[in-house]
Amino acid sequence: EIVMTQSPATLSVSPGERATLSCRASQSVSSNLAWYQQKPGQAPRLLIYGASTRATGIPARFSGSGSVTEFTLTISSLQSEDFAVYYCQQYNSWPLPFGQGTKVEIK
Amino acid sequence: QVQLVQSGAEGKTAGSSVKVSCKASGATFTNTAINWVRQAPGQGPEWMGGINPLFGTANYAPKFQGRVTITADESTTTAYMELSSLKSDDTAVYYCARVLPSLAAAGIVGAFDIWGQGTLVTVSS
Repeated sequence: EIVMTQSPATLSVSPGERATLSCRASQSVSSNLAWYQQKPGQAPRLLIYGASTRATGIPARFSGSGSVTEFTLTISSLQSEDFAVYYCQQYNSWPLPFGQGTKVEIK
Repeated sequence: QVQLVQSGAEGKTAGSSVKVSCKASGATFTNTAINWVRQAPGQGPEWMGGINPLFGTANYAPKFQGRVTITADESTTTAYMELSSLKSDDTAVYYCARVLPSLAAAGIVGAFDIWGQGTLVTVSS
């Protein structure tokens, strides 16, 4: 069973700055990796799939990279609406675990 | 516009079962792979299992194997998740979520682009 590990747990960033979030898989997931954003009281929202493809309607400031076991989500210039919790999820093989999340908070 | 609409909140006692529904509108259900994800208070999302009506079989997380049953009724475009032998730590918001259609059509089992509004299941002892 694949384990997804995200770091850091909390990231303090000022508006306008870049945020870099990491996700590591315990074994290869190829490029079958998704990133989600979640705000309080809402369902997760798909940001990135296939490790680097933005979902429909996702701003270009969100970008994903990586493959095999190491992945990165970059938010190039943080906007006020980007402060949230971010989760990665592998879908290369059953089961489909999420990482434990990275909270992006205002510095 | 595709929407997933879930049934309402449930209050259950330990040892009982709960069945949550998820009705899809605005899409061909045969091409709609549905997964179930739960989120306990203050915790991250936890994948429980999923079903693709195109292939007819469900897959479950080992943690829930034997306790969860996921089904889909194409005639009513509704998916169901039934969880039995409820415990207090099953208290959570339960979401259904659709696999991105372009991936589902290729037999790929993630990522989840449309989510239901969530159903709060509260289990008391």
